[in-house]
Amino acid sequence: GAVVSQHPSRVICKSGTSVKIECRSLDFQATTMFWYRQFPKQSLMLMATSNEGSKATYEQGVEKDKFLINHASLTLSTLTVTSAHPEDSSFYICSANGDYSEAFFGQGTRLTVV
Amino acid sequence: DAKTTQPNSMESNEEEPVHLPCNHSTISGTDYIHWYRQLPSQGPEYVIHGLTSNVNNRMASLAIAEDRKSSTLILHRATLRDAAVYYCFLLSGGYNKLIFGAGTRLAVHP
Repeated sequence: GAVVSQHPSRVICKSGTSVKIECRSLDFQATTMFWYRQFPKQSLMLMATSNEGSKATYEQGVEKDKFLINHASLTLSTLTVTSAHPEDSSFYICSANGDYSEAFFGQGTRLTVV
Repeated sequence: DAKTTQPNSMESNEEEPVHLPCNHSTISGTDYIHWYRQLPSQGPEYVIHGLTSNVNNRMASLAIAEDRKSSTLILHRATLRDAAVYYCFLLSGGYNKLIFGAGTRLAVHP
């Protein structure tokens, strides 16, 4: 089946630095990818829709200047958390749709900002 | 987005069948019923989907009510590895963004 690979799986960074998370579709092309954030004991929250070759669409309340999304190719979308702070510590997950509308998710990236 | 409702939690014993319900009374004719699950500390994974007829795959079975206003995900023999949060969605063809609710947290006891 289709695979979405996310990297890194874990990252610890210092407050004020930026962190880039990659999401790759390994055996299919994804013109659209989605980015989610999940806090402990909570469900996934959609942050933004990443569109290949165009600007991302952000959900209400998500700061586009803080969470930079780039979708430069049909197999790669990146999420950069800029000037990270401890409250940005979370589990970040990407997904892409397959041919039959099913969604394939990455393994997730656990970000800890210290 | 068409809405689904699921119980917050369910429990099962290992090796027993589990029936996870989902209500979707506002389903439209073009909506597919999709199920995903999220194991601890992992991204969600696709389980099964269907339109009108019952579906079986290696992971589970999906039973869809005749009026399509509800469905049931069936795990025939629960294992400890099936302990997860299960999510039911209604998706139409093509572009889909999944808006996650609370899902059903399944606990499996040895």
